[in-house]
Amino acid sequence: GESVGLHLPTLSVQEGDNSIINCAYSNSASDYFIWYKQESGKGPQFIIDIRSNMDKRQGQRVTVLLNKTVKHLSLQIAATQPGDSAVYFCAENPSGGYNKLIFGAGTRLAVHP
Amino acid sequence: GAGVSQSPSNKVTEKGKDVELRCDPISGHTALYWYRQSLGQGLEFLIYFQGNSAPDKSGLPSDRFSAERTGGSVSTLTIQRTQQEDSAVYLCASSLATGQLFFGSGTQLSVL
Repeated sequence: GESVGLHLPTLSVQEGDNSIINCAYSNSASDYFIWYKQESGKGPQFIIDIRSNMDKRQGQRVTVLLNKTVKHLSLQIAATQPGDSAVYFCAENPSGGYNKLIFGAGTRLAVHP
Repeated sequence: GAGVSQSPSNKVTEKGKDVELRCDPISGHTALYWYRQSLGQGLEFLIYFQGNSAPDKSGLPSDRFSAERTGGSVSTLTIQRTQQEDSAVYLCASSLATGQLFFGSGTQLSVL
């Protein structure tokens, strides 16, 4: 069935280091992928997205890489800050049209001073 | 409003009782989604509204779950005869027709 999963459930990094969060997806028909950040007690917050016709997209301190050959998605956070501590979810849209997103289980990022 | 608003933020109920969860989407957003998030898990799609219609209800786990949307705005998710396994955070999101989803902070439902 359709699924989105993450390789690492917990990631601990030192402040100032770069973080890489990985995600595998199973539906080769998915054409849109999103990374969300969820802080405790809040709803998921959009970070960055990428369409299947791209393999890299950059935002402010974040980069998403898409490898369609191996169905792998990653989120890179440069110069990680304590405020980056949260749970990060990848999501895919396999259906096109409306955003019936399929979410992975999430990775907790812990940033230590 | 400025963002997606959900109420109540927390709801504790007894097994067998009915509950109603409310979502006020961002003004002008035609699409509205309900998701469920169990402890330590990702988000599980429940239902999608476009305007007042729900073309996709495929994620509703049982016939105890229903949702409606009125005036193309407010939506209510109703759970009848609640069970302990219904305990979760229920998240609502809205978007323009096919745009980015904006999530509310959710309703934490605890069924005792």
